Amino acid sequence: AQTVTQSQPEMSVQEAETVTLSCTYDTSESDYYLFWYKQPPSRQMILVIRQEAYKQQNATENRFSVNFQKAAKSFSLKISDSQLGDAAMYFCAYRSAQGAQKLVFGQGTRLTINP
Amino acid sequence: NAGVTQTPKFRILKIGQSMTLQCAQDMNHNYMYWYRQDPGMGLKLIYYSVGAGITDKGEVPNGYNVSRSTTEDFPLRLELAAPSQTSVYFCASSSWTGGMNTEAFFGQGTRLTVV
Repeated sequence: AQTVTQSQPEMSVQEAETVTLSCTYDTSESDYYLFWYKQPPSRQMILVIRQEAYKQQNATENRFSVNFQKAAKSFSLKISDSQLGDAAMYFCAYRSAQGAQKLVFGQGTRLTINP
Repeated sequence: NAGVTQTPKFRILKIGQSMTLQCAQDMNHNYMYWYRQDPGMGLKLIYYSVGAGITDKGEVPNGYNVSRSTTEDFPLRLELAAPSQTSVYFCASSSWTGGMNTEAFFGQGTRLTVV
């Protein structure tokens, strides 16, 4: 079974600075997807960024980018120019490329933005 | 465009009571899921469905039942509620269409407290 581990329960960053959230995963599969989700206090699950394992190029979405290291099974999220609205719980998630598209989530990292 | 709709948003149950959490999606997605999120934790899969009439257990199915009589609806039934079922419940849907995976769309969540 696949597992996802986020070793940082809490992180904080100054507004406008850069922060990196860590995620490692364990799988024997070669084809899969990785995701970062944001969960603000409203509880809504918001997709931040997605990475296909077969792509060597790291995904980027505006101020959000990932460092995908397939051999090391590492998938970190970098948030540049942090904004107050970035404050939330962030979840790393894994999904196999085969089967029923079930998501496996990490424990989450609570990100605080200091003004 | 409603997406995934969950009802109710909040509920308090007494130990031993039963209830059904409703979930409906209007995107014609074939896959649907129920997750639970315990305080400070990531989401764990309870049950999922790959199409009408087909359901299967996830990681934490004990104490729950589901049915999928239509593509749109995927209710989650709690029988004999226990304090351990106090959690936030999320319904989600996704699809495999034209050789492409869609992203998972989540409902707003149901906060359930069992006392």
